[in-house]
Amino acid sequence: DSGVTQTPKHLITATGQRVTLRCSPRSGDLSVYWYQQSLDQGLQFLIQYYNGEERAKGNILERFSAQQFPDLHSELNLSSLELGDSALYFCASSVGGTGGEKLFFGSGTQLSVL
Amino acid sequence: AQKVTQAQTEISVVEKEDVTLDCVYETRDTTYYLFWYKQPPSGELVFLIRRNSFDEQNEISGRYSWNFQKSTSSFNFTITASQVVDSAVYFCALSEARGNEKLTFGTGTRLTIIP
Repeated sequence: DSGVTQTPKHLITATGQRVTLRCSPRSGDLSVYWYQQSLDQGLQFLIQYYNGEERAKGNILERFSAQQFPDLHSELNLSSLELGDSALYFCASSVGGTGGEKLFFGSGTQLSVL
Repeated sequence: AQKVTQAQTEISVVEKEDVTLDCVYETRDTTYYLFWYKQPPSGELVFLIRRNSFDEQNEISGRYSWNFQKSTSSFNFTITASQVVDSAVYFCALSEARGNEKLTFGTGTRLTIIP
């Protein structure tokens, strides 16, 4: 058990809908990261937050947004969903996020867009 | 731009055989970090090892060993005396030391250990 909690584990929704994925980092970790894993794109970095502030942005679509709250949990919002958004979404956390740190990954949220 | 290449898409070996997973990376930075993560059938990503670009010493942890060679930009992973529990997808990843933890992952190698 990595100590990172993601909910829900599975999500099935329709095109055009909006969903929210939730992540609770390990106790004491200040950084949260979101990754998307799909068959065609592999593992892609989406975004990183450090202590409530956005630190780095990757290949995140404009339809997607994220935030990290004062209690350090994070949410990833996906809107106007398309079939191609179906993927496994991972959250990870680390202590500082300054480079070279080991990331602890949650078990992921499997999103299916029908 | 950084890139990680895992040319072996799938490997199958019989239990107790040794197996090496290849990883080749590209980066313009002189300071960077290399990682291996394991994704078992249950789906979560599990950290195995981290190396920084200034430490080329090979590392051994039980049946696992890693060979880092800057001259060939490679960071290969060897499992000795493989076991069925080693069956998983293995990812090599690269992080540049720029104040964030953006990991660039390879496409992964699916390893199947045949009993």
